[in-house]
Amino acid sequence: GENVEQHPSTLSVQEGDSAVIKCTYSDSASNYFPWYKQELGKGPQLIIDIRSNVGEKKDQRIAVTLNKTAKHFSLHITETQPEDSAVYFCAASGAGGGADGLTFGKGTHLIIQP
Amino acid sequence: ETGVTQTPRHLVMGMTNKKSLKCEQHLGHNAMYWYKQSAKKPLELMFVYSLEERVENNSVPSRFSPECPNSSHLFLHLHTLQPEDSALYLCASSHRTSGRGGAYEQYFGPGTRLTVT
Repeated sequence: GENVEQHPSTLSVQEGDSAVIKCTYSDSASNYFPWYKQELGKGPQLIIDIRSNVGEKKDQRIAVTLNKTAKHFSLHITETQPEDSAVYFCAASGAGGGADGLTFGKGTHLIIQP
Repeated sequence: ETGVTQTPRHLVMGMTNKKSLKCEQHLGHNAMYWYKQSAKKPLELMFVYSLEERVENNSVPSRFSPECPNSSHLFLHLHTLQPEDSALYLCASSHRTSGRGGAYEQYFGPGTRLTVT
């Protein structure tokens, strides 16, 4: 089955700086890669996603890149703000022969220092 | 936040109790999911329902029993749980077509924090 590795587990950046979180996946048939943000006491919130026919996608301060050959994808957050502090999860899906359950990474605790 | 609701938000139960978790989605989706989130571990997929039929059971012990009476509601029936089952149980929903149509965006509820004593 699919295996998703995520790094780093904790990331501390100064407010206004950029943050980058990286993930690798094992199943070359995976074709959908979402990113979720989870705040304390809440469920994961979808913030951006990318499909395997696209190399990069942007939404305001957030961007995701995908390298299918290397089987890795990354989340980029620019001009970080205190409200960006949360746990971020990457996931992969689409290779299960019709089952669309997501395989998640272990998460990155992003801390924005004021 | 109100697209997928879960009740109760917190639950404490003994190992001999029977309880149920409820999930309801108001997004017009036709697939629903149960995930388990434990400390220090990735979210784990438990069950997938598509068009009210179970399409995936990810090697979950039989003490967890899902039920999907219609496309808007999903239950997780719990009985004779173990302390290691304490976790955050998350429900999600999405659109889904049959066959290998590719994955759709999944939207999560706030979860039920379960503690087994």
